[in-house]
Amino acid sequence: GAGVSQSPRYKVAKRGQDVALRCDPISGHVSLFWYQQALGQGPEFLTYFQNEAQLDKSGLPSDRFFAERPEGSVSTLKIQRTQQEDSAVYLCASSLAPGDSEAFFGQGTRLTVV
Amino acid sequence: GNSVTQMEGPVTLSEEAFLTINCTYTATGYPSLFWYVQYPGEGLQLLLKATKADDKGSNKGFEATYRKETTSFHLEKGSVQVSDSAVYFCALSGGSYIPTFGRGTSLIVHP
Repeated sequence: GAGVSQSPRYKVAKRGQDVALRCDPISGHVSLFWYQQALGQGPEFLTYFQNEAQLDKSGLPSDRFFAERPEGSVSTLKIQRTQQEDSAVYLCASSLAPGDSEAFFGQGTRLTVV
Repeated sequence: GNSVTQMEGPVTLSEEAFLTINCTYTATGYPSLFWYVQYPGEGLQLLLKATKADDKGSNKGFEATYRKETTSFHLEKGSVQVSDSAVYFCALSGGSYIPTFGRGTSLIVHP
């Protein structure tokens, strides 16, 4: 596609519900990143994929967070048993190759846990 | 670890005023430095970048110079427009190639 696409754009979840957020990176991009952006803050790194390999998941805040990219293209970020503190915008970015300096961002998914 | 500190906003200016948004960083080695912009309702877009010391990145009238001696990458524009109103993020990418962001500075430009 023309850019990074994320869905849904908005998600309201009841506390304790599981959610799945989808990211379609730019076709052919090897690197994929997930970030969490709280209101008024900058993006905080969650996890990084190079093709289907998850090379860094040091930013995932708890074991309730899980990400996958099974075929090296589309990625899904799953949050189990959502809590109110999970409310944030979740951003996905991709870049052409490892070390390629420009990351292209999607518009994000705004998650609200009530 | 890597970190980025940028001035708090909002920065409020009149059209055609001079803009400076300060950014300093902490990193090991020689990171690449970036400014991203987020317009209302849109995703982050790369505004400019610099990959080594003394490099100047520029785009759309914005400039920033990579200053290793002061570990800074301040964003400047000589004459802002209403359409420049957005949130600006300073970022760095070091050896791990995972971009680290500052908390963002909101710019509001009045006609």
